[in-house]
Amino acid sequence: DAKTTQPPSMDCAEGRAANLPCNHSTISGNEYVYWYRQIHSQGPQYIIHGLKNNETNEMASLIITEDRKSSTLILPHATLRDTAVYYCIVRARTSGGSNYKLTFGKGTLLTVNP
Amino acid sequence: NAGVTQTPKFRVLKTGQSMTLLCAQDMNHEYMYWYRQDPGMGLRLIHYSVGEGTTAKGEVPDGYNVSRLKKQNFLLGLESAAPSQTSVYFCASNTGQGLDSPLHFGNGTRLTVT
Repeated sequence: DAKTTQPPSMDCAEGRAANLPCNHSTISGNEYVYWYRQIHSQGPQYIIHGLKNNETNEMASLIITEDRKSSTLILPHATLRDTAVYYCIVRARTSGGSNYKLTFGKGTLLTVNP
Repeated sequence: NAGVTQTPKFRVLKTGQSMTLLCAQDMNHEYMYWYRQDPGMGLRLIHYSVGEGTTAKGEVPDGYNVSRLKKQNFLLGLESAAPSQTSVYFCASNTGQGLDSPLHFGNGTRLTVT
């Protein structure tokens, strides 16, 4: 899987947009960018994913640069419950061809402040 | 629709004891996975299954066995627990239909081996 680089921590004020960056300069053409988050003591929660185009769902928006070497996860109106570790993952088919696993890095701890 | 359910939520074992962790999903997913999460290490794949009756090794399979006798269930076994297996274990599942299929996680089993 392509390596991803995220800042270890970020702060955001409640009600403001949280913009979480991720660099994935070695991404290949058929690799997807996934975002998950993990709130303390819970399992990872799927947020959003994309290949080339920007994506939006009820939780967040994903902006992928045209060269696909970086992306930004946007939480439009952060709440205290959005405090979590956010993982940016580039997902690729492994050499075996059938193993669609995810490789988690260390992520970004987002702290939403009142 | 409960998603992915893991039992038990907590367990304390003594070195050398055995136990089985159960994962059940009600989403009719083909693929299932077992991860462990340790501080500073992210999530590491232990074993996975691409369908009923099949299993395969992940990144850290030693000391664990798995079985997928029914499509909805994926069992993780520790035959002789060691303190190094103290961890939080997460099960996940997805449709397995390519890279465009998010993994959905359970809320984990917290295992302590003394």
